Amino acid sequence: LAKTTQPISMDSYEGQEVNITCSHNNIATNDYITWYQQFPSQGPRFIIQGYKTKVTNEVASLFIPADRKSSTLSLPRVSLSDTAVYYCLVGDIKGKLIFGQGTTLQVKP
Amino acid sequence: DVKVTQSSRYLVKRTGEKVFLECVQDMDHENMFWYRQDPGLGLRLIYFSYDVKMKEKGDIPEGYSVSREKKERFSLILESASTNQTSMYLCASSRDREAFFGQGTRLTVV
Repeated sequence: LAKTTQPISMDSYEGQEVNITCSHNNIATNDYITWYQQFPSQGPRFIIQGYKTKVTNEVASLFIPADRKSSTLSLPRVSLSDTAVYYCLVGDIKGKLIFGQGTTLQVKP
Repeated sequence: DVKVTQSSRYLVKRTGEKVFLECVQDMDHENMFWYRQDPGLGLRLIYFSYDVKMKEKGDIPEGYSVSREKKERFSLILESASTNQTSMYLCASSRDREAFFGQGTRLTVV
């Protein structure tokens, strides 16, 4: 499974757009990129998934360049409730999910 | 509404005890997982099951075993609990890489 690298922590202010980048240099042809969000005392929650180019849903956007060696999760106009840990995962159709340390996002008023 | 249920929210066990953590999902998912989460270490995969009676080791399987006799149930077994297994344990099930997590079991081994 491809290993991922993402920043340990990020700070932002309410109303700003936040971009969290994940590196996955060894991504395989069949691998998808998936992002999860985790609040304290809860299990992670699926946010978004993509294979290439751009994916958007009601929560976030995911940008994947042509070489797929990185991806960027974009959270538009964050609020205090977006303070959480964000995980980037890379894996194939078999479905084994390996989480790393994630990125702790702190949104300030 | 999808549901993954872990048998206990909090558990206190003594060193050397055999401990069973149970997880049940009602979504007919093939894949099920057991993770532990410790401060500063993120979520670490203990075991993964992709079908009944099929399992695969994760990153930290030592000291643990698992059982999946029925599709909906995945059990984590600590054969002889030790204090370094004090942790938050999270069970999940998934289809197509979208995983659903239980509420977690905070296990303390004394």
